[in-house]
Amino acid sequence: QKEVEQDPGPLSVPEGAIVSLNCTYSNSAFQYFMWYRQYSRKGPELLMYTYSSGNKEDGRFTAQVDKSSKYISLFIRDSQPSDSATYLCAMSARRNAGNMLTFGGGTRLMVKP
Amino acid sequence: KAGVTQTPRYLIKTRGQQVTLSCSPISGHRSVSWYQQTPGQGLQFLFEYFSETQRNKGNFPGRFSGRQFSNSRSEMNVSTLELGDSALYLCASSLSVTGGGEQYFGPGTRLTVT
Repeated sequence: QKEVEQDPGPLSVPEGAIVSLNCTYSNSAFQYFMWYRQYSRKGPELLMYTYSSGNKEDGRFTAQVDKSSKYISLFIRDSQPSDSATYLCAMSARRNAGNMLTFGGGTRLMVKP
Repeated sequence: KAGVTQTPRYLIKTRGQQVTLSCSPISGHRSVSWYQQTPGQGLQFLFEYFSETQRNKGNFPGRFSGRQFSNSRSEMNVSTLELGDSALYLCASSLSVTGGGEQYFGPGTRLTVT
């Protein structure tokens, strides 16, 4: 079983919909959580960075972390066709352990006009 | 500020050859990590360098190696290439000294082994 699980999709939604993307993980040492967006044949782009449990909002994006359930989410409001991409969750362990990220497999999102 | 740059962007090599990929981090970032991305395995951590020292290593064979220079630029080398090494190789840099910080990725080098 992988340390970080993510539904591969594809997830197809109409333009303007609220999108919910999720990851579950098994390693309780993870404390830093990131969401990346990756367009086809490009490098991942950092969207959200959160530490420990709680919510963080940035424009149309909201990241939630529930460490007690080992579950993280990314919400996209008013989704646009330009949001069509693969979304990757990533996590790293405690401070002083270096910058090693463990990734989920990615969810492919398609936003239809 | 310029982002992470990687060269070359595309490479075609033959089985048994070796290859060297280069990464220049964001100015001021001293941590450089390398990842391999394939359709089957996703993104997997190869190794991390900080201040010219390998700080973390993933579960890859010894054919995969790297180094970091005093200006934080990094190279990774794959020797005796196998067909399964065909992948997108991504470099990421971070400002974080101790770890857990935000990481920014370059565009990747797409390696095809024939």
